[in-house]
Amino acid sequence: EAGVAQSPRYKIIEKRQSVAFWCNPISGHATLYWYQQILGQGPKLLIQFQNNGVVDDSQLPKDRFSAERLKGVDSTLKIQPAKLEDSAVYLCASSSVTPPGGTQYFGPGTRLLVL
Amino acid sequence: KQEVTQIPAALSVPEGENLVLNCSFTDSAIYNLQWFRQDPGKGLTSLLLIQSSQREQTSGRLNASLDKSSGRSTLYIAASQPGDSATYLCAVYSGAGSYQLTFGKGTKLSVIP
Repeated sequence: EAGVAQSPRYKIIEKRQSVAFWCNPISGHATLYWYQQILGQGPKLLIQFQNNGVVDDSQLPKDRFSAERLKGVDSTLKIQPAKLEDSAVYLCASSSVTPPGGTQYFGPGTRLLVL
Repeated sequence: KQEVTQIPAALSVPEGENLVLNCSFTDSAIYNLQWFRQDPGKGLTSLLLIQSSQREQTSGRLNASLDKSSGRSTLYIAASQPGDSATYLCAVYSGAGSYQLTFGKGTKLSVIP
């Protein structure tokens, strides 16, 4: 079974530029999550999708971050404009279980550096 | 607001030792507790999931316990190996109406051959 795929793996941009990350969850997983992990911290949930609907985006900085999951499969997370404090690893996870609960399967992450 | 604390932040042990990692959480109204492993440059791998009604879970050399009333969990690793070197993260699934995983900062484990 293929795991969660993410691209790109690394991205370096200058502040005020825009960037987008892509995630393809495990086939058949209806629930998809985006997390932000700052160096030395645990992951923090940004947004949670159930199929193509948003379940929770309470911690998403909506003035600069946006996410979509068209057709209920793959998803993109965008930052525009980027700030220095957005430097982090962005992790995508998916689950076959409708929240709450269930094991989440994580992708390798996209490491973003904002200069 | 749920907060998760992991102690110690880092641990170095010789190969073969048994060890315990600690996790505490502030709100005992949890749905479940999960332990993950994170290797450098990689995503998280789920190790164990304990439902709120359970006291422990075991997988191979790993055993996790949960004391929901006191807000504590421990991860016990038996006969540690160099391949166990990684960061171990504890996370609790909680919230009313909008459940989410809240993670601790992790314990970085180094097993010395």
